[in-house]
Amino acid sequence: KAGVTQTPRYLIKTRGQQVTLSCSPISGHRSVSWYQQTPGQGLQFLFEYFSETQRNKGNFPGRFSGRQFSNSRSEMNVSTLELGDSALYLCASSLGFLETQYFGPGTRLLVL
Amino acid sequence: GESVGLHLPTLSVQEGDNSIINCAYSNSASDYFIWYKQESGKGPQFIIDIRSNMDKRQGQRVTVLLNKTVKHLSLQIAATQPGDSAVYFCAENIGPGNTPLVFGKGTRLSVIA
Repeated sequence: KAGVTQTPRYLIKTRGQQVTLSCSPISGHRSVSWYQQTPGQGLQFLFEYFSETQRNKGNFPGRFSGRQFSNSRSEMNVSTLELGDSALYLCASSLGFLETQYFGPGTRLLVL
Repeated sequence: GESVGLHLPTLSVQEGDNSIINCAYSNSASDYFIWYKQESGKGPQFIIDIRSNMDKRQGQRVTVLLNKTVKHLSLQIAATQPGDSAVYFCAENIGPGNTPLVFGKGTRLSVIA
């Protein structure tokens, strides 16, 4: 069974731009979560989607948004990029509540 | 690869020795705990999990111990190999309900050949 895939793997943007990242979960998984990983803050939860509905949201500004499609694929969007948004963005999928989350390789975003 | 943490605690062990990585979790209501391994340039990889109704669980070369009294979790790796070198994270989930995983800061394991 294929793992979680994320595209693109690397991205360079400038301040003020916006970016969309994509995640395809493991087949059959309906829950997709997004995390931001930085050296200073570690792994921080952004949001979780299940059956196209946002189930939970972390403590990030409204510039960070996401959505999930009927095939469980998910996208996250960051608008008006800031230098501090430079990070590794990780997507994880799971079958549902309190089920093991499996991570993708991440998208490395660099904001200049 | 990227640095997942510039000032992580580091554990150095000799190849073939056993490793013990510790984690203090934050919430006494946490119901589910997971250990992840992250190698440079990769996403976290699931190692083993344990639910709060257990105090020990074993996998292949790994054992997780849970002490709810002191909110402590440990990961034991038997016969540590160079391929075990990575950053290890513990994560907790408060259940029931749709709450996210909360990750620890991580420990860097360095295996000396």
